Amino acid sequence: GDSVTQMEGPVTLSEEAFLTINCTYTATGYPSLFWYVQYPGEGLQLLLKATKADDKGSNKGFEATYRKETTSFHLEKGSVQVSDSAVYFCALSDPERDDKIIFGKGTRLHILP
Amino acid sequence: DAGVIQSPRHEVTEMGQEVTLRCKLISGHNSLFWYRQTMMRGLELLIYFNNNVPIDDSGMPEDRFSAKMPNASFSTLKIQPSEPRDSAVYFCASSFKRTGGIETQYFGPGTRLLVL
Repeated sequence: GDSVTQMEGPVTLSEEAFLTINCTYTATGYPSLFWYVQYPGEGLQLLLKATKADDKGSNKGFEATYRKETTSFHLEKGSVQVSDSAVYFCALSDPERDDKIIFGKGTRLHILP
Repeated sequence: DAGVIQSPRHEVTEMGQEVTLRCKLISGHNSLFWYRQTMMRGLELLIYFNNNVPIDDSGMPEDRFSAKMPNASFSTLKIQPSEPRDSAVYFCASSFKRTGGIETQYFGPGTRLLVL
C-alpha cells in the first residue's frame, strides 16, 4: 500500500542554518503531498502542500517540490529560527482511493540559539 | 473562527474505567478523523466519518473502542474498559470533503490520556 518514509530525527541545527528534511513516498496512484508541523503541546497543522508533479508548496519560508521522478517531497528552509523547533510530518493522500492522509513517523527538529 | 475543539484536554483514570473523549468539528466541515499518537507507534488513524457515517474503522484497536457522531458537528470516542496501554494523545481532525478533492485536515489540540 501507499507509504511515506522520512528521515529519522532528532535533527539539531544552529539558528540561521539551512534545513533539509528528506521525504520519499510510495503510491500506486497520483497522490497529493503535504508537510504538517506539530509544535509542542499542540495538534498538527498544515505547513504546505502540492497536488501534482513539479508543484512547489511554500509557507513561512519553507518549501517543498513534488518530484515524481524521484518520488520525493523534501522540506527545505534557507535560514531556520528557534521558533521552527517542532516535529515535522510528511504525508500523502490519494483522493481517487479514499479520504485518508497517510503520515510519516515525523522528524523532530531542534534549533539552537 | 473557532477551530476544532476537544475535551477534556487531560484525563487521568484508573484501569477498567470508562473514558469518553469529545470533539466538536469546525462549522461547515463534513469529515471527522480520530487519531492516536504515541512515541512507540507515532500517529495512527483510528476511524473516520463522512457526513456522520463511519467510513473506515479498521484502525480501531479492539472492541473496547467505539466512536459515534450523534450529529454533524460533534463526535465522541469511548474506551470501555480502559487499559494502561491506551495511554496516548488522542486527536480529532475535521475537514470539508468535496467531490474529487482532498481538503486540509484541521487538528484539535488533543486529549492527553493517562490510564493508571
